[in-house]
Amino acid sequence: QQPVQSPQAVILREGEDAVINCSSSKALYSVHWYRQKHGEAPVFLMILLKGGEQKGHEKISASFNEKKQQSSLYLTASQLSYSGTYFCGTRETSGSRLTFGEGTQLTVNP
Amino acid sequence: EPEVTQTPSHQVTQMGQEVILRCVPISNHLYFYWYRQILGQKVEFLVSFYNNEISEKSEIFDDQFSVERPDGSNFTLKIRSTKLEDSAMYFCASHVGLAGGQETQYFGPGTRLLVL
Repeated sequence: QQPVQSPQAVILREGEDAVINCSSSKALYSVHWYRQKHGEAPVFLMILLKGGEQKGHEKISASFNEKKQQSSLYLTASQLSYSGTYFCGTRETSGSRLTFGEGTQLTVNP
Repeated sequence: EPEVTQTPSHQVTQMGQEVILRCVPISNHLYFYWYRQILGQKVEFLVSFYNNEISEKSEIFDDQFSVERPDGSNFTLKIRSTKLEDSAMYFCASHVGLAGGQETQYFGPGTRLLVL
């Protein structure tokens, strides 16, 4: 069962913040966040394991609420380079398939 | 920094022809995957491979598809008789192990397959 991402698209001005959500109807082992630019491969951002931890990567951070099977990706003070499609991928058990959501298209304008 | 590589970057083939897509995973990685992405759509899981056998496969991965690790470095995806709907970007991915951060999957640059 694929995770549901929201919003489908978001347009920001440089310096603004955004939140991208990912939810699943199934219990999850881990959530993986990737960014993909047009015509390129998905680039790994971070992995969150069950336990409700929040991880950070410069101005990009994420959380995982194990009870609600929801993860959120936080982008603060967005830069032009943040533009792309953000995918969350979920795993139900260790080593199982990574199932991706439909993606959130983020556009950062000057 | 080690990375997953894939060849060719682009492949054009006639419907019904066989194609082999090649991947070289990161050298110390033990778990290998193939995904595909039809233009403008999400990334879809095809198959996972560990210890020289398929661990899991999706509904897309029918009898026309096969995977092989012919030597210690290459990981291949074969499509025996291509169909128009096989046109997509095919990504290979790999990760080290099964403990926490070791499950981070790193993607190759992809092979764009066009079936005419």
